[in-house]
Amino acid sequence: GENVEQHPSTLSVQEGDSAVIKCTYSDSASNYFPWYKQELGKRPQLIIDIRSNVGEKKDQRIAVTLNKTAKHFSLHITETQPEDSAVYFCAASRTTSGSARQLTFGSGTQLTVLP
Amino acid sequence: DAEITQSPRHKITETGRQVTLACHQTWNHNNMFWYRQDLGHGLRLIHYSYGVHDTNKGEVSDGYSVSRSNTEDLPLTLESAASSQTSVYFCASSEGGTVREQYFGPGTRLTVT
Repeated sequence: GENVEQHPSTLSVQEGDSAVIKCTYSDSASNYFPWYKQELGKRPQLIIDIRSNVGEKKDQRIAVTLNKTAKHFSLHITETQPEDSAVYFCAASRTTSGSARQLTFGSGTQLTVLP
Repeated sequence: DAEITQSPRHKITETGRQVTLACHQTWNHNNMFWYRQDLGHGLRLIHYSYGVHDTNKGEVSDGYSVSRSNTEDLPLTLESAASSQTSVYFCASSEGGTVREQYFGPGTRLTVT
C-alpha cells in the first residue's frame, strides 16, 4: 500500500517568513495530493490540493509543488501570520477506474508562527 | 446547511465494553471514512464505505467494525474496548466517483480506562 512520510514534524518561523513542509510518497500510481490544516481542537480542513497532471498550484499565500519523478510534494506558505499556526497534514491517493478513493496521510507538521 | 456530525463528542468507557460512535452526514455523499488520530501517527484509516451495504477495512481495522444501512450514517463499533483504542476519532465523507475533498466531522474523544 501507499506510504507517506512528512517532514519536519515541528516547524517554528518568525511572522512574515516563509514555511516549507515536505512529503514523499511510495506509490508511483498516486495522482491526487491534498493538504489539510488542523487548528487546535478542530477538525482537519482542506486548504489546497494538486493532481499529478500539474507541477505547481497557488492560492494566495499558499502553494504546492509536485515532483512525480522524485515522488515528493511540498507545501509553501509565504508571509506567514499567527493564524497559520496549526498542524498540517499531507496525503496521497490514486484513482483507478473510479475506485481507491481513500487517502493515506502523513504524520503531520506542527507549524508555529512566532510574533 | 449540509453538514457532518459525530456523537458523542466525548466518551469514557471501561475496558471490554462495546462502544458505538455515530457519524451522520447530510450531503448525500456516497463515500464515508473513519480515522483515528494519535500523536505522531497522523490520521490512520480504520474503515471506509463507498455506498450502502459496502464496507472495507483500512490500515488499522482490528477491533473495529462498521455497517452502512443508509447513505447518511456510518456507525463505528468497538466490539471490546481496549486501552490502545484511546484516541480521537474522526468521521469524513466525500462525493462519489473520483477522489475529491473529504469533509471531516468534529471528532469524538474516546478514553478507555
